[in-house]
Amino acid sequence: AQSVTQLDSQVPVFEEAPVELRCNYSSSVSVYLFWYVQYPNQGLQLLLKYLSGSTLVKGINGFEAEFNKSQTSFHLRKPSVHISDTAEYFCAVTGPHDMRFGAGTRLTVKP
Amino acid sequence: EAGVVQSPRYKIIEKKQPVAFWCNPISGHNTLYWYRQNLGQGPELLIRYENEEAVDDSQLPKDRFSAERLKGVDSTLKIQPAELGDSAVYLCASSITTGQHQETQYFGPGTRLLVL
Repeated sequence: AQSVTQLDSQVPVFEEAPVELRCNYSSSVSVYLFWYVQYPNQGLQLLLKYLSGSTLVKGINGFEAEFNKSQTSFHLRKPSVHISDTAEYFCAVTGPHDMRFGAGTRLTVKP
Repeated sequence: EAGVVQSPRYKIIEKKQPVAFWCNPISGHNTLYWYRQNLGQGPELLIRYENEEAVDDSQLPKDRFSAERLKGVDSTLKIQPAELGDSAVYLCASSITTGQHQETQYFGPGTRLLVL
């Protein structure tokens, strides 16, 4: 079965600074990788996904992530964050039938 | 296009009472999921349906939880009786699954349950 580890539970950052949210996965089979964002009192919204092809994936709201098979990582990055990016971010991995989520990283953008 | 619809959005009940949550997936999505999300954690799968068949319910506490998706469209998740530890957000998601390939899951807003 696959699993996901999000290495940071909380990431505080100042507005307009770059940010990286780290995600490592383990799986014995080929996987698909996702990043979701959850704003307070809302469901999960898809930011981006890696299915195949280019290892650099661009998503909504200026986010991007890079799939690194040798390091089994799928870190999320944004070059300049805004106050509105404050939210919980979840990395997820799917195998043939199920999706496993990390515990989440709370991104707090300060003015 | 309408997204995944869930109701109610919030529910407060006393322990030992029953409660039910409803989900209507995105039109055309054959796979439906129920997740539980505890505070400060990621969602954990409770049950997955492909059409009307429950293909993975290994994480569903069957002594008190039940679910149905009778016509392969909307679904109901029930807890009877509820316990204090059931307080969580219950998320519904849907996707298109063809063969071994699983497409992106789209999530509803969730039902926030508080058991007193």
